[in-house]
Amino acid sequence: AQRVTQPEKLLSVFKGAPVELKCNYSYSGSPELFWYVQYSRQRLQLLLRHISRESIKGFTADLNKGETSFHLKKPFAQEEDSAMYYCALTGAGSYQLTFGKGTKLSVIP
Amino acid sequence: EPEVTQTPSHQVTQMGQEVILRCVPISNHLYFYWYRQILGQKVEFLVSFYNNEISEKSEIFDDQFSVERPDGSNFTLKIRSTKLEDSAMYFCASSDWGQGLEREQYFGPGTRLTVT
Repeated sequence: AQRVTQPEKLLSVFKGAPVELKCNYSYSGSPELFWYVQYSRQRLQLLLRHISRESIKGFTADLNKGETSFHLKKPFAQEEDSAMYYCALTGAGSYQLTFGKGTKLSVIP
Repeated sequence: EPEVTQTPSHQVTQMGQEVILRCVPISNHLYFYWYRQILGQKVEFLVSFYNNEISEKSEIFDDQFSVERPDGSNFTLKIRSTKLEDSAMYFCASSDWGQGLEREQYFGPGTRLTVT
């Protein structure tokens, strides 16, 4: 069975500090990993996917197959980064997203 | 920028009643999905739909649930006889096709279903 674990329910950082949102996954094959973000009163939005290797809004994430992790990082947090962040995966031959429980990021001014 | 829309934003119904949640996916998208999120829990996959048929469904998606694309724009989720535990936020999503775009899902704002 596939599973996504986000160990932190809430993460508070000061503006300008580095951010790392943790995500670990369990999947027997080669998954595709995603980060979705939900700003206050807005919809879920795709932030980035591991195959695109892009940096969006200063965020990056590297897939570590050895540690089965896909942590989201940003060197300098901004107040506008405050939101709910969800890690998700899809498996081979499937388009259904399996989500983690989410981490609420709060950036303190 | 085109967006997925959902109506209503909030639906209150009595246990045992039928509800239909409506979604208008992004035009030209070919894959459609329903997810739900019970308060305090994970977003869970319910069903995916492609080429006028269900392509995947989860264990949650039992005989009480059905989906339909009644015309060229709407995508609906019907719950035949609602239970208290169906109370949740229901999200519709759609995705394009080709070159891995199927996995880039665009979500609607959600419909909050409250069963009393």
